[in-house]
Amino acid sequence: SQTIHQWPATLVQPVGSPLSLECTVEGTSNPNLYWYRQAAGRGLQLLFYSVGIGQISSEVPQNLSASRPQDRQFILSSKKLLLSDSGFYLCAWSFKGAADEQYFGPGTRLTVT
Amino acid sequence: LAKTTQPISMDSYEGQEVNITCSHNNIATNDYITWYQQFPSQGPRFIIQGYKTKVTNEVASLFIPADRKSSTLSLPRVSLSDTAVYYCLVGGNQGGKLIFGQGTELSVKP
Repeated sequence: SQTIHQWPATLVQPVGSPLSLECTVEGTSNPNLYWYRQAAGRGLQLLFYSVGIGQISSEVPQNLSASRPQDRQFILSSKKLLLSDSGFYLCAWSFKGAADEQYFGPGTRLTVT
Repeated sequence: LAKTTQPISMDSYEGQEVNITCSHNNIATNDYITWYQQFPSQGPRFIIQGYKTKVTNEVASLFIPADRKSSTLSLPRVSLSDTAVYYCLVGGNQGGKLIFGQGTELSVKP
């Protein structure tokens, strides 16, 4: 079976500091990978998605970036965090051809102070 | 992607059947309808997906009328553990560009 891991679970960072969140998937190969952010309230915002190694599509212009150095590894980064970057960050994966059925990780709660 | 409209919140009691309706008047021909469930501080969980008529799995049923402009998620005999936010999404297989709206916050009471 497939599992998805995210770390850290919680993170408190000062404004202007760098960020690196990691996500890995086990039990499948060549998945689609996604990064979402959920601010206070409910709606999830798709930030990045990737259909393969080194292939990243950005949905929203911001000071965040994503990379996919390995098939089942997805990294979300920032060089300088803003207060508005606070939120709940979720990584998800899906099979190719079934992108509407996504499987989410446990999330990282980021607080920028 | 088609916009969806669903109630902000609903209340129910244990053992009742809960029906959450979602409107998607601008649904396109190749769009599927997908529902997710989210508990606090967790990622959303896929519940069910359908294109037309009725789909049933071990968790829920999804009813889609012929015009496909709405859909109803049915949760049979809810329990306290079904308290969560339920999202209705409409879209085709467009590279996974799911758009999550505000969802419906379901509160199940004893």
